[in-house]
Amino acid sequence: DVKVTQSSRYLVKRTGEKVFLECVQDMDHENMFWYRQDPGLGLRLIYFSYDVKMKEKGDIPEGYSVSREKKERFSLILESASTNQTSMYLCASSQWGIVGNTIYFGEGSWLTVV
Amino acid sequence: AQKITQTQPGMFVQEKEAVTLDCTYDTSDPSYGLFWYKQPSSGEMIFLIYQGSYDQQNATEGRYSLNFQKARKSANLVISASQLGDSAMYFCAMRGSTSYGKLTFGQGTILTVHP
Repeated sequence: DVKVTQSSRYLVKRTGEKVFLECVQDMDHENMFWYRQDPGLGLRLIYFSYDVKMKEKGDIPEGYSVSREKKERFSLILESASTNQTSMYLCASSQWGIVGNTIYFGEGSWLTVV
Repeated sequence: AQKITQTQPGMFVQEKEAVTLDCTYDTSDPSYGLFWYKQPSSGEMIFLIYQGSYDQQNATEGRYSLNFQKARKSANLVISASQLGDSAMYFCAMRGSTSYGKLTFGQGTILTVHP
């Protein structure tokens, strides 16, 4: 079975802390994504990567950065966490190629910034 | 740019009845795919059904079917014979041929199934 694993399910961090959210996939997928989910707004794309060391901004990249040093791992970094970054974060991966390729999601990380 | 619109924040249905969740989209991509995902309260995203823009027939997967009307740019999800376990958030999403595989999501619809 395809597996996308997010390192932390629930986190509570203080304002100003540096936060790392880790995501690992085991299917050798080229594409990896970080989304943020908020009520009434659906899922919004923060960053994505289509290859090792390659990254592209999504719709809401401000306040975030990412790292992809290995194909299977895609990290989301909050350089200085703020309360408006309290949210649920979802990592996803898919194969490069046709539009019908399934996108697989991790279980989500619930981040609270206090 | 791509846009997905789900206009129903919440829907209610009686158990064993059918329900339609609305989704409209906008894109300039010549080729695209439309997806529906279910998200229970646990937070996981469960893939339900896929429709390609050039598919001639509407997609079906068990109790799920997709009412695809390309000219109207709509891709409504129909759930037949609703079950209590269908209560969840439902997201419509699309991916264009020029979008590096990114999925664009709608706002979601919360479905509640009553016994």
